[in-house]
Amino acid sequence: DAKTTQPPSMDCAEGRAANLPCNHSTISGNEYVYWYRQIHSQGPQYIIHGLKNNETNEMASLIITEDRKSSTLILPHATLRDTAVYYCIVRPYAGGTSYGKLTFGQGTILTVHP
Amino acid sequence: NAGVTQTPKFRVLKTGQSMTLLCAQDMNHEYMYWYRQDPGMGLRLIHYSVGEGTTAKGEVPDGYNVSRLKKQNFLLGLESAAPSQTSVYFCASTSPLRQGPETQYFGPGTRLLVL
Repeated sequence: DAKTTQPPSMDCAEGRAANLPCNHSTISGNEYVYWYRQIHSQGPQYIIHGLKNNETNEMASLIITEDRKSSTLILPHATLRDTAVYYCIVRPYAGGTSYGKLTFGQGTILTVHP
Repeated sequence: NAGVTQTPKFRVLKTGQSMTLLCAQDMNHEYMYWYRQDPGMGLRLIHYSVGEGTTAKGEVPDGYNVSRLKKQNFLLGLESAAPSQTSVYFCASTSPLRQGPETQYFGPGTRLLVL
């Protein structure tokens, strides 16, 4: 699976957009970009995923560059409850021999301030 | 619909003792996983299962055994606990889709302290 690089920590003011970057320069054509977050040692929570196109759901938006070598997770209006560790993960879909396994890096600690 | 549950939530063991962690899911998922997370680190895959009766090793399998006798349950065993196995253990489950990816659903974790 492709390796990802994320900044170790970021800060954001409450109500502002939080933009979390991820570099995955060795991504393969069949690999998706996933984002999970972990709030205060709870189990990780799925946020969003994408292949080529930008994606948006009720939690966040995912912007993937045209060459797919980097992406940005956007939390449009960060709240205090968004303080968490955010993991960017790249892997093939589970239908292949990867069997859905996730490889977690150290992620980005996002702190949302009042 | 409880999702993924883990038993127990917290346990203290002495070195050399054995125990079994239970993971249960009610989403009829094919795939199940056990991860461990050490302080300040990301999760690491211990073992996984792609169906009832099948298991496979992950990144850090040594010192652990697993069993998947029923589709909804995935057991993680420590035969002889060591202090290095002090960690938080997370179970997860998912099912493959014919096209495209799927998401993993995680349990709340089991905190294990080995003295």
